Amino acid sequence: GAGVSQSPSNKVTEKGKDVELRCDPISGHTALYWYRQSLGQGLEFLIYFQGNSAPDKSGLPSDRFSAERTGGSVSTLTIQRTQQEDSAVYLCASSQDRANSPLHFGNGTRLTVT
Amino acid sequence: SQQGEEDPQALSIQEGENATMNCSYKTSINNLQWYRQNSGRGLVHLILIRSNEREKHSGRLRVTLDTSKKSSSLLITASRAADTASYFCATVNRGGSNYKLTFGKGTLLTVNP
Repeated sequence: GAGVSQSPSNKVTEKGKDVELRCDPISGHTALYWYRQSLGQGLEFLIYFQGNSAPDKSGLPSDRFSAERTGGSVSTLTIQRTQQEDSAVYLCASSQDRANSPLHFGNGTRLTVT
Repeated sequence: SQQGEEDPQALSIQEGENATMNCSYKTSINNLQWYRQNSGRGLVHLILIRSNEREKHSGRLRVTLDTSKKSSSLLITASRAADTASYFCATVNRGGSNYKLTFGKGTLLTVNP
């Protein structure tokens, strides 16, 4: 079946511009996660949508970052007034939202802020 | 904050040798998972071990968990060049209904042909 799909795969933007990153999770997966990975680093948690519960936004680094999940499916991560330190790979994952459910990752969006 | 910490940060071995990677964590966990990442893109789930399990096998993979030491190890036996990748451990904290996974910084494994 179809996996997690992210678009665009690459995005180059100028400092100060807004960007939107999209994630299509696996159908039926109620949990959706966004992580950020800088070059050669581990995964930094950003936000976790858990079914109908309020999302866990504890990882968002600043108020320039926001995310929505419409209809319990597609999610959009928005970064306003991008800065060079926002350059990273943004990874989306989905799961069946049980304690022992593995995450299924998309291939990420590589964001470069010039 | 970082929950899991992998050790070593980088490991280089010859094909056919075994590779062992370690992970330490700080809080009580529900389960611990290992993932693999090629070329800095999406991660692929390898194996999950529950907090009440001590050892688990999957093909050439063997995972151990020691909750008293808050540590886990991933052993890849008879390694192949195709095993070259970054390996991450991730934990789900015990309690509540927040199943957020917290990842370590990973071990970069290079298997030389």
